[in-house]
Amino acid sequence: GQNIDQPTEMTATEGAIVQINCTYQTSGFNGLFWYQQHAGEAPTFLSYNVLDGLEEKGRFSSFLSRSKGYSYLLLKELQMKDSASYLCAVKRGGGANNLFFGTGTRLTVIP
Amino acid sequence: KAGVTQTPRYLIKTRGQQVTLSCSPISGHRSVSWYQQTPGQGLQFLFEYFSETQRNKGNFPGRFSGRQFSNSRSEMNVSTLELGDSALYLCASSLVAGEGTTDTQYFGPGTRLTVL
Repeated sequence: GQNIDQPTEMTATEGAIVQINCTYQTSGFNGLFWYQQHAGEAPTFLSYNVLDGLEEKGRFSSFLSRSKGYSYLLLKELQMKDSASYLCAVKRGGGANNLFFGTGTRLTVIP
Repeated sequence: KAGVTQTPRYLIKTRGQQVTLSCSPISGHRSVSWYQQTPGQGLQFLFEYFSETQRNKGNFPGRFSGRQFSNSRSEMNVSTLELGDSALYLCASSLVAGEGTTDTQYFGPGTRLTVL
């Protein structure tokens, strides 16, 4: 079967670092995306990994291990505005341009 | 450049009715995908259109259908609405679809459908 697992909820303190994990089992793999979604808003693109390793983009970094079916999103210097849901999604191969999403991790940043 | 737009933003229907939702992709984007988002199931893929053809389809009943026009605008239709169809319907556009591409999908604000 196909599955993406993420923690349902996480809480972290402003200024801290938080790591959101994602494990996946999918039929085909053509990249892994992370999206941020604030309540009542559209998901917005954060990062993309297709090769193993770490991709850094400002305060956000994403890591991928294809052999382990594992990714994480690292958020540094947390700000209150980072309180949102973080969605892990796998783009499946075979010409499919659709994303298979996990149910998301709701992150709450506290002062 | 304008983002993905969706109309209407909110919709209230009753069981048995049908509904049509519209999505205008980012200018130049040719692929449009539709997703259903519910609290329990998260984001689930409905279908994807590219060059006016449905390229991929998710695991939804035939009551859910869509189409794409020559200007890449897309519509989705849900017939014989059920209470469980209440959800946020999101469309996403990307520049070029297909194997080997890394095109990012950009989401519209969604249409919140409530079925009473």
